[in-house]
Amino acid sequence: AQSVTQLDSQVPVFEEAPVELRCNYSSSVSVYLFWYVQYPNQGLQLLLKYLSGSTLVKGINGFEAEFNKSQTSFHLRKPSVHISDTAEYFCAVRGDNYGQNFVFGPGTRLSVLP
Amino acid sequence: NAGVTQTPKFRILKIGQSMTLQCAQDMNHNYMYWYRQDPGMGLKLIYYSVGAGITDKGEVPNGYNVSRSTTEDFPLRLELAAPSQTSVYFCASSPNAGGKAFFGQGTRLTVV
Repeated sequence: AQSVTQLDSQVPVFEEAPVELRCNYSSSVSVYLFWYVQYPNQGLQLLLKYLSGSTLVKGINGFEAEFNKSQTSFHLRKPSVHISDTAEYFCAVRGDNYGQNFVFGPGTRLSVLP
Repeated sequence: NAGVTQTPKFRILKIGQSMTLQCAQDMNHNYMYWYRQDPGMGLKLIYYSVGAGITDKGEVPNGYNVSRSTTEDFPLRLELAAPSQTSVYFCASSPNAGGKAFFGQGTRLTVV
């Protein structure tokens, strides 16, 4: 079984400042890792994912994340945020075996302030 | 492109009533899921399916039932609605274990 921890429930940051949203996971099997974003009153959209290969993954809207196997982390970063980045961000893991399902973290609300 | 379509978008139920949340995807995905989203709790998996005719329980299946008679459709049934089922429900699909999940827009259900 897998579990996901997002240490920060809320992260306020000023516009154009950098941001890091933290994600740690635990799993007894190899995993795929994902970050999803949810804008108000909408479904979830994929920002980026790590399946294998390079541990630095670039996604949409200027976000990137780095997989650190030894620390079981997959932190999300953006060097300069915009007001439009205000949303809820969910980290998710999934085992790489058939039938494995997404396990989501509790979410981090990013609020970008002018 | 339709993607994942959920209906209805909003619903108010009285305690003890039943209803079916509809979910359809047009991407020929094998995997489909139902999640509920409660404030501060992230998404919890209710049921999932890895193909037509195959369903299994997730983390919080009590009070719900599903069926998967076709690849496209994955309805979620609430038989006796309870206030604890007040939540936002999301249906999702993905092509395989490593593929991204596509989410519907959600159904906001209130049980009074």
